[in-house]
Amino acid sequence: ETGVTQTPRHLVMGMTNKKSLKCEQHLGHNAMYWYKQSAKKPLELMFVYNFKEQTENNSVPSRFSPECPNSSHLFLHLHTLQPEDSALYLCASSQDPRDTQYFGPGTRLTVL
Amino acid sequence: DAKTTQPPSMDCAEGRAANLPCNHSTISGNEYVYWYRQIHSQGPQYIIHGLKNNETNEMASLIITEDRKSSTLILPHATLRDTAVYYCIVRVAFGVETSYDKVIFGPGTSLSVIP
Repeated sequence: ETGVTQTPRHLVMGMTNKKSLKCEQHLGHNAMYWYKQSAKKPLELMFVYNFKEQTENNSVPSRFSPECPNSSHLFLHLHTLQPEDSALYLCASSQDPRDTQYFGPGTRLTVL
Repeated sequence: DAKTTQPPSMDCAEGRAANLPCNHSTISGNEYVYWYRQIHSQGPQYIIHGLKNNETNEMASLIITEDRKSSTLILPHATLRDTAVYYCIVRVAFGVETSYDKVIFGPGTSLSVIP
């Protein structure tokens, strides 16, 4: 238990659906991250938020839309995804963007 | 690209020490060595980090060579629950006055602990 929770843990969606992934951290951290991990590939950083402001967008397609309403919550809104977007989506947080990151358990997403 | 190289896989007998090597020959003076592990389909778990001195915590020990170009993560008494992919990462840590540095995960070492 790292203090970072993610819901749902599993999600199956069609290409025309709209869904959202939620991340919550109970560590009092100021920075939050979304990562994508496809099968047999290393983790890829998607977005970084620091004090609710987006500081990094790692060339992520617009069908992924992050939202950070406060330092404890991070959302990833999904729409018109493709089957190749199926992956494990991981949320992490840290006190500072240069500090140790603590990860949530991930959401396993399957796009049909 | 990741700044580290690790063997793709290793085996270790249960109860024995697991020694996981990592090469980081281009490491800068202000970059720390971090280790994470990822058990199948779970989020990465922080293990330990260090700058130039050896470090030990309840999970593992980190041995960094004097020239800092390589390091070894030691799990002193490996158990079956230590079977995971272990990632060695170099990054700038909190308190250093530089711009944000991406944490880049490489493919890691897949450690199998064998009964």
